[in-house]
Amino acid sequence: DVQLLESGGGLLRPGESLRLSCAVSGFSFRESLMSWVRQSPGRGFELVSSISGYDAFKYHADSVKGRFTISRDISRDILYLQMNNLRVEDTALYYCTIGRTADSWGQGTLVTVS
Amino acid sequence: DVVMTQSPLSLPVSLGQPASISCRSTQSLVHSDGNTYLSWFHQRPGQSPRRLIYKVSNRDSGVPDRFSGSGSGTDFTLEISRVEPEDVGLYFCMEGTYWPLWTFGQGTKVEI
Repeated sequence: DVQLLESGGGLLRPGESLRLSCAVSGFSFRESLMSWVRQSPGRGFELVSSISGYDAFKYHADSVKGRFTISRDISRDILYLQMNNLRVEDTALYYCTIGRTADSWGQGTLVTVS
Repeated sequence: DVVMTQSPLSLPVSLGQPASISCRSTQSLVHSDGNTYLSWFHQRPGQSPRRLIYKVSNRDSGVPDRFSGSGSGTDFTLEISRVEPEDVGLYFCMEGTYWPLWTFGQGTKVEI
């Protein structure tokens, strides 16, 4: 079975940094398109960052470009989201997802910037 | 950018009765590969989203057959033939045609 388990969320001040992790299993991680999606009451769902199979392409939304970086460690089967210079508006529940149509979602990890 | 508009945003339903949610996009969701990457998701209170339907009308494994998706181009519909208590929550559509510029619908809150 596909499993995604996010961790690393927390309460931070504006300007601080955080790294989110998503431990995966049950599918071919290296080949898979992976994404971070966030959900907040005011903005709904928003694609934050994506990384294509074999890391051929990386995408970051304009709202996080230059501050967030998506990466993966295939030896440990972990997807990362490095979040620098956090802003209040980055407050959200962050999910990792698989595939072009978000086939599966983790349980999410909450990031609060205040 | 594509905009996805769902309606209604709130849907009171009765158990055993049908329900329908609409999702409209500002641009055609037909990809150059011939597929239409329109998905529907359900999020129960306090849980993460679960995909129900992909590529307009394909039900995911384990999704009851009372859920069905239809539509083409820019107009799509999710239908529940007979609402069950576990169907409450937030339903939203998402287009994957223009990845990585995914766009999500605002969500429809279904309540009994």
